[in-house]
Amino acid sequence: SQTIHQWPATLVQPVGSPLSLECTVEGTSNPNLYWYRQAAGRGLQLLFYSVGIGQISSEVPQNLSASRPQDRQFILSSKKLLLSDSGFYLCAWSFTGGDGYTFGSGTRLTVV
Amino acid sequence: GQQVMQIPQYQHVQEGEDFTTYCNSSTTLSNIQWYKQRPGGHPVFLIQLVKSGEVKKQKRLTFQFGEAKKNSSLHITATQTTDVGTYFCAGRNYGGATNKLIFGTGTLLAVQP
Repeated sequence: SQTIHQWPATLVQPVGSPLSLECTVEGTSNPNLYWYRQAAGRGLQLLFYSVGIGQISSEVPQNLSASRPQDRQFILSSKKLLLSDSGFYLCAWSFTGGDGYTFGSGTRLTVV
Repeated sequence: GQQVMQIPQYQHVQEGEDFTTYCNSSTTLSNIQWYKQRPGGHPVFLIQLVKSGEVKKQKRLTFQFGEAKKNSSLHITATQTTDVGTYFCAGRNYGGATNKLIFGTGTLLAVQP
């Protein structure tokens, strides 16, 4: 069966520091991968999605970037964090056929 | 751009009462999905509806996709405390990128025992 791993679970980082969040999927090949951000008590904002290695689509201009160095690995990065980058970051995967998304357990990022 | 709105934003019910959340898209959708997010947790996929006017049931939950494929609803009969959480609808634009879901604003359900 397929599983998705996301780490760390919580992170407190100072303003101006770099960020790297990693997400890996097991048990499937060539998944579609997604990064979402959820502000406290709010909805889910799509940040990036990827349909294959090295293929990244950015949904909103921002302080973040994403990379997919391997088929089942998706990384969210920032060179210098802003206070507004705080939130709950969720990685998700789906089959290319467009079924439901499976989300990782998320990373709660607090920028101080 | 495409917007998917849900109403109400928040609903507080007594255990045993029914609950309904409504989802409205500014554009025609190819399909609609529903997710549940427990407090402190991550969204979990519940169901997908594809056909115009489709109705699906999962135990006490009834999902409906509108005839025009621009709206959807989730109805919970006789709520239980385990139903607590935020319910999100999510849709794909008809003719759009097949794997890009736009999530609704969510409805937070609180159930008082």
